[in-house]
Amino acid sequence: NAGVTQTPKFQVLKTGQSMTLQCAQDMNHNSMYWYRQDPGMGLRLIYYSASEGTTDKGEVPNGYNVSRLNKREFSLRLESAAPSQTSVYFCASSPNFSGGSYNEQFFGPGTRLTVL
Amino acid sequence: RKEVEQDPGPFNVPEGATVAFNCTYSNSASQSFFWYRQDCRKEPKLLMSVYSSGNEDGRFTAQLNRASQYISLLIRDSKLSDSATYLCVVYGRDTGRRALTFGSGTRLQVQP
Repeated sequence: NAGVTQTPKFQVLKTGQSMTLQCAQDMNHNSMYWYRQDPGMGLRLIYYSASEGTTDKGEVPNGYNVSRLNKREFSLRLESAAPSQTSVYFCASSPNFSGGSYNEQFFGPGTRLTVL
Repeated sequence: RKEVEQDPGPFNVPEGATVAFNCTYSNSASQSFFWYRQDCRKEPKLLMSVYSSGNEDGRFTAQLNRASQYISLLIRDSKLSDSATYLCVVYGRDTGRRALTFGSGTRLQVQP
């Protein structure tokens, strides 16, 4: 099992360009998440999908859109990239959407995005 | 004020030392508590959950004080491989939405 995979690993964009970050999990999890991690800020939730067919905003959704393509895949789109979106992006999944330890979140390896 | 606050460190300790990290959280309605470990330029991974009565996993001991809204992690007999950033994570309702809230992490460097 690969767990949670993300593509690409690295990306450099110019301001105004668009791109989609891909995420897939092979653990048959219901819930998936997108976070960004900035120095000194901790991980912040951008969007999440509690189950296939649903998506909801997290703490910092502005400038992003998501698609839960099927149970395995959850993509994050930047329509018009800005330098403030330079960050490390992590996708995660969990069996279900609740906070118990039995719903541990498993993270992908991250995408390092730089917007010039 | 951050919802989850941690001392960023770094904590530089020799091998074999005992080291403790603290974390405070602001949301009194928080329900679940965790420590995640993140190696340099890697993804976070669950280290352990934190239970009200305190819990131990080998060299690691976690404590929770709900009255003071305080969580701790104690590492005994530190190993070089313990060098990482330790993230305090809290689960609860935040503006009507259930979510995990991550602290910004405490960096530990164990030296030979």
